[in-house]
Amino acid sequence: GAVVSQHPSWVICKSGTSVKIECRSLDFQATTMFWYRQFPKQSLMLMATSNEGSKATYEQGVEKDKFLINHASLTLSTLTVTSAHPEDSSFYICSAPTSGRISYNEQFFGPGTRLTVL
Amino acid sequence: GQNIDQPTEMTATEGAIVQINCTYQTSGFNGLFWYQQHAGEAPTFLSYNVLDGLEEKGRFSSFLSRSKGYSYLLLKELQMKDSASYLCAVRRGGGYNKLIFGAGTRLAVHP
Repeated sequence: GAVVSQHPSWVICKSGTSVKIECRSLDFQATTMFWYRQFPKQSLMLMATSNEGSKATYEQGVEKDKFLINHASLTLSTLTVTSAHPEDSSFYICSAPTSGRISYNEQFFGPGTRLTVL
Repeated sequence: GQNIDQPTEMTATEGAIVQINCTYQTSGFNGLFWYQQHAGEAPTFLSYNVLDGLEEKGRFSSFLSRSKGYSYLLLKELQMKDSASYLCAVRRGGGYNKLIFGAGTRLAVHP
């Protein structure tokens, strides 16, 4: 199957700093990628849709200025958590469908990034 | 609005069969997915249904009834490694292929 990578796999930072998380599609091009956040023992919450060549689309309640998304190329999307606080500590996961067609039936998930803000 | 409901936890015995139910009410529907997620790892794809009926894939099967807003995942010949969370996710209609996830069902398989 298709492969999606994330970097870093885990990060610990101080409150007030910014953290960048990368999501790469390794063997396919992804015009769209999705960013999710998952708190312990909870499900994945969609944060935003990253679109190559245009602005990201954020879900209701997600702060655009705090979670900056840049879809720099057809294989790379980045999520920057700005001025991180302890409540931002979570598991961040990206995913990408392997086709831009609506009818395609599978998304591939990255391995996730565990963010801990002290 | 949208709502996806699954039982929070289930337990089963090794070698047995378990059925995990999922009911949904979403604005638009373009398919239902089941994912398996082990603690601290990303979800892995198990099955996909867009038409009513049963899809079988080895030990795992998934059923969908669109009129009832209902799906289930059936796991046969349970193994200890099947202990994980099982996530039901609905893809809404329209563009972008968005998935909306249920809270997940934590399955514990005992010897």
